Amino acid sequence: EVQLVESGGGLVQPGGSLRLSCAASGFTFSSYWMTWVRQAPGKGLEWVANIKQDAGEKYYVDSVKGRFTISRDNAKNSLYLQMDGLRAEDTAVYYCARDVVGATGWLDYWGQGTLVTVSS
Amino acid sequence: EIVLTQSPATLSLSPGERATLSCRASQSVRSYLAWYQQKPGQAPRLLIYDASNRATGIPARFSGSGSGTDFTLTISSLESEDFAVYYCQQRDNWWTFGQGTKVEIK
Repeated sequence: EVQLVESGGGLVQPGGSLRLSCAASGFTFSSYWMTWVRQAPGKGLEWVANIKQDAGEKYYVDSVKGRFTISRDNAKNSLYLQMDGLRAEDTAVYYCARDVVGATGWLDYWGQGTLVTVSS
Repeated sequence: EIVLTQSPATLSLSPGERATLSCRASQSVRSYLAWYQQKPGQAPRLLIYDASNRATGIPARFSGSGSGTDFTLTISSLESEDFAVYYCQQRDNWWTFGQGTKVEIK
C-alpha cells in the first residue's frame, strides 16, 4: 500500500525556518517525481515545487523561489522541503504527493498534510 | 502562467442529479488537464487525467471531456459521497490549479 506521511509542520515566526519531511513507503520511491502542494486555510490548492527522481531537476512556484528548497534522499525514501524566510502568506497545509510515472504533474497519491502556521 | 477558471463556484444539487463542472484555461493546455476531488479534512484524490481518462478505482459516473481551453467534468448521477470540492489542474506549461467548485447538497 502506498503511503506518504508528512511531518515537521508547526508554528513559526515570520522570517523563520522549517523543514518538512515526507516519508514514503509501499512503492519504489526512487522511480517517481515527487511534488509539494499547499493549501491555505479555507482556500484552494497551490502547486509549490517538484523534484525529479535523481534530484537532477527541481522546479518552484515563483512565490517561493529563493526561499524554499526541495530535496530527497532515495536511500531513506524521503522527500523534504526546507522553508526559509517564512511569511504569513506561507501559512497552509503542505501536502507531499507522488507524480504519475511518465506524466509529471498528475498526482496519484497524497499524504495527509502537515500544517505550517507563520505568525508572531 | 496559465490561469484556470472554474465555474460555477458552487453547485447546489440533489442526489441522483447530474453535475456539470467547467474549467477554462487562459491559453491552450492541449489535453493536459486533470480533475481532483477533495472532501473536508482530506487530501485531494485524482479523478481524471489527460482530460478524459479515469484514474484507478474511479467510478464510471465520473467523466471528463474537452481539449484546448475548455473542459468539463460530469458526474452522471450524484451519490452522497460525491458532495465535495473539485479542482482542475493543468500540466502543459508548469503546473497550476483552478480555484475549485463546491458541489453541495440542495
